Amino acid sequence: DAKTTQPNSMESNEEEPVHLPCNHSTISGTDYIHWYRQLPSQGPEYVIHGLTSNVNNRMASLAIAEDRKSSTLILHRATLRDAAVYYCILRGTQGGSEKLVFGKGTKLTVNP
Amino acid sequence: ETGVTQSPTHLIKTRGQQVTLRCSSQSGHNTVSWYQQALGQGPQFIFQYYREEENGRGNFPPRFSGLQFPNYSSELNVNALELDDSALYLCASSPHREIITEAFFGQGTRLTVV
Repeated sequence: DAKTTQPNSMESNEEEPVHLPCNHSTISGTDYIHWYRQLPSQGPEYVIHGLTSNVNNRMASLAIAEDRKSSTLILHRATLRDAAVYYCILRGTQGGSEKLVFGKGTKLTVNP
Repeated sequence: ETGVTQSPTHLIKTRGQQVTLRCSSQSGHNTVSWYQQALGQGPQFIFQYYREEENGRGNFPPRFSGLQFPNYSSELNVNALELDDSALYLCASSPHREIITEAFFGQGTRLTVV
């Protein structure tokens, strides 16, 4: 399985931007980069995904390096509700299925 | 459009027993995946079902089995429970077998084996 590397934890202040990095040096040409987050006592929640170009949605932006070996999830204005574990995931295939391979993720703390 | 629902929310079982966990997929989704999440870890893929057939499996022993029904709801069965099976079990549904789009997760079932 293609692996990702993320910092264990990060801290931010409310209403400031947050940049969450992810390294994926073994990414293959057809792997999509997905980001999910997991709030306390909840199941993971989809945030954003991309292949090569930068992506924006209502929740966040995803900046993908030109060589695709790293990416950054950008929360433009952090709120207390954004405190969660953020997972950077490369789509993987096993036995014909498309599975999500989670690492330990980055625990984001947002200070008021 | 209802979300993914799992039952029960919490469960305590004794080592050696069997357990069945249930998942109701989001409306219109024909693919369901199950994940195990140990404390402090990310979720680990158990298996996926697509149109009632197993469509891929992670590194879990055969005592972990599943079913998907014609209405696309699903069950995860675990036989001969071990203490290490204590975890949060998550179900995720997606509209297509290839989850290039998002997967929708339920809130999980917290299983404790004593």
